[in-house]
Amino acid sequence: GENVEQHPSTLSVQEGDSAVIKCTYSDSASNYFPWYKQELGKRPQLIIDIRSNVGEKKDQRIAVTLNKTAKHFSLHITETQPEDSAVYFCALGSQGNLIFGKGTKLSVKP
Amino acid sequence: DAMVIQNPRYQVTQFGKPVTLSCSQTLNHNVMYWYQQKSSQAPKLLFHYYDKDFNNEADTPDNFQSRRPNTSFCFLDIRSPGLGDAAMYLCATTGYGFYNEQFFGPGTRLTVL
Repeated sequence: GENVEQHPSTLSVQEGDSAVIKCTYSDSASNYFPWYKQELGKRPQLIIDIRSNVGEKKDQRIAVTLNKTAKHFSLHITETQPEDSAVYFCALGSQGNLIFGKGTKLSVKP
Repeated sequence: DAMVIQNPRYQVTQFGKPVTLSCSQTLNHNVMYWYQQKSSQAPKLLFHYYDKDFNNEADTPDNFQSRRPNTSFCFLDIRSPGLGDAAMYLCATTGYGFYNEQFFGPGTRLTVL
């Protein structure tokens, strides 16, 4: 079945630095690519999403880029803050469902 | 302004004792999902309803069943919980078109003794 590879599995950055998480996929028919943030013990929450007719989308310090030819999409967080520390999941819209990557644990050190 | 509500938030059951988890939503969304999430893992889809149409994932054990009596409510029944079923169970909803945000409930943490 469809698979989403997410890297890295853990990422530690200094406050103020940028963080980049990348996901690759194989289903060329996919056209929806959301990113979810999950803090410890809490529900996943959508932070940004992109559809296949757009190459890049930005929301304040968060941006997502999509390369449909290469089949990868990335989350970029600039000027990281300690409250950005969480697990981030990329996901792929496929046949009406979401297929999640394995997650990236981001730690932002003050 | 709660949108997706799950009860209970914490459930303790004994090995083999049936348990039911509930989910309700105020969004009037037609699609409802049940996910299982184990520690340090991604949510794993168990099944979903598109209106009343039930869709089971191929690798969801028979031990897991679901009911959706109306648009607002959906239940997850675990007929004979095993130790391996201890996890967080997340309910999510989305509106028509699928490729829209899935709204997650706060989850039910299931412990099996």
